[in-house]
Amino acid sequence: DTGVSQDPRHKITKRGQNVTFRCDPISEHNRLYWYRQTLGQGPEFLTYFQNEAQLEKSRLLSDRFSAERPKGSFSTLEIQRTEQGDSAMYLCASSSYIGAQYFGPGTRLLVL
Amino acid sequence: GQQVMQIPQYQHVQEGEDFTTYCNSSTTLSNIQWYKQRPGGHPVFLIQLVKSGEVKKQKRLTFQFGEAKKNSSLHITATQTTDVGTYFCAGQAGTALIFGKGTTLSVSS
Repeated sequence: DTGVSQDPRHKITKRGQNVTFRCDPISEHNRLYWYRQTLGQGPEFLTYFQNEAQLEKSRLLSDRFSAERPKGSFSTLEIQRTEQGDSAMYLCASSSYIGAQYFGPGTRLLVL
Repeated sequence: GQQVMQIPQYQHVQEGEDFTTYCNSSTTLSNIQWYKQRPGGHPVFLIQLVKSGEVKKQKRLTFQFGEAKKNSSLHITATQTTDVGTYFCAGQAGTALIFGKGTTLSVSS
């Protein structure tokens, strides 16, 4: 296993369009996390799955954001009606316990 | 809400000099983790500290967790150009990690 993978690596979209990102965690990890990172900031927690259950969501997470992990393996993050303020790096991480998290390379989103 | 603050925001050193970054939380932490992010890269896990007063070493890196479990530090001895990057501390708040803004280290040879 080569680690956490994310697709696409880059996405440019127009304001108002919907986008979907995919994350494939390390295969034996049952915990999966989504973060958002903007320039000069640390990653900001968005949501957390344990297996297929979404157990925690940030209060900062807009209703336009939705995440799924249908079979407890890969996860998708969808942003509806994108806004320019959504431009950021979206990072996925996985872990096998509450502790070390292993991050993917991220999806860089630019909303025009 | 819980906040994690890091200082300094930037640090430039000459190769061979030491470097320290400090992390403070507004609340007591169950554990603290440190990550390194190279320019254009993603955060990479370095270490987790759990016990009050804990000190861990990884080669030239020394990590400390404060007695009150609200602060931590990372010290690099004799920096090398390969140490360049942004170092983040992250406090565990339930399942979420709350990251500081990071300290960006640059090293000139």
